[in-house]
Amino acid sequence: DADVTQTPRNRITKTGKRIMLECSQTKGHDRMYWYRQDPGLGLRLIYYSFDVKDINKGEISDGYSVSRQAQAKFSLSLESAIPNQTALYFCATSDETGQGGYTGELFFGEGSRLTVL
Amino acid sequence: AQKVTQAQTEISVVEKEDVTLDCVYETRDTTYYLFWYKQPPSGELVFLIRRNSFDEQNEISGRYSWNFQKSTSSFNFTITASQVVDSAVYFCALTGSARQLTFGSGTQLTVLP
Repeated sequence: DADVTQTPRNRITKTGKRIMLECSQTKGHDRMYWYRQDPGLGLRLIYYSFDVKDINKGEISDGYSVSRQAQAKFSLSLESAIPNQTALYFCATSDETGQGGYTGELFFGEGSRLTVL
Repeated sequence: AQKVTQAQTEISVVEKEDVTLDCVYETRDTTYYLFWYKQPPSGELVFLIRRNSFDEQNEISGRYSWNFQKSTSSFNFTITASQVVDSAVYFCALTGSARQLTFGSGTQLTVLP
């Protein structure tokens, strides 16, 4: 099984619907991230969380919200989806407190492809 | 603020050719990490290499090699004797004191048989 699991992997929805993308990890990492990928723009950071009580906005947080339900779970919500939120979404984790200290490496889930019609 | 620029949007080569993917970065940090990730058509992100700012030694791993030059703020990636399976989008990325990974816009590499 993957260390970082995203559900659903694919979702088609309509404008105005509420959508939740879920991420769970078994790596025991304290930090979790949500990125969005659009063609030609690379990956852009939406939100990140350094622990359960710490949530931070990233580069493109407008229209999104997150919830860190536990160390292992980090959900991304679109309260009222719009077509320009059609993208590939990635969850990622990193470990600051591990034996090797901070290395900057992110461990990614397999991605969730969202289409908003 | 930090920035990563991958000026090559798309590259197309014929199998067995060598190809270099360029990456130029900007940061005010003295300690930072640079990365390359591969994204095959299946969509997942595959980690290729991490390099810290104090290690300018070039690295070779099989057909892959990386050239890190602080003087030009570049971290270029070369694939020797390219293969069709190398076809993918390749991302360069940077993280520093803000503990946030910033990605370049990616280079789509197509290797033709």
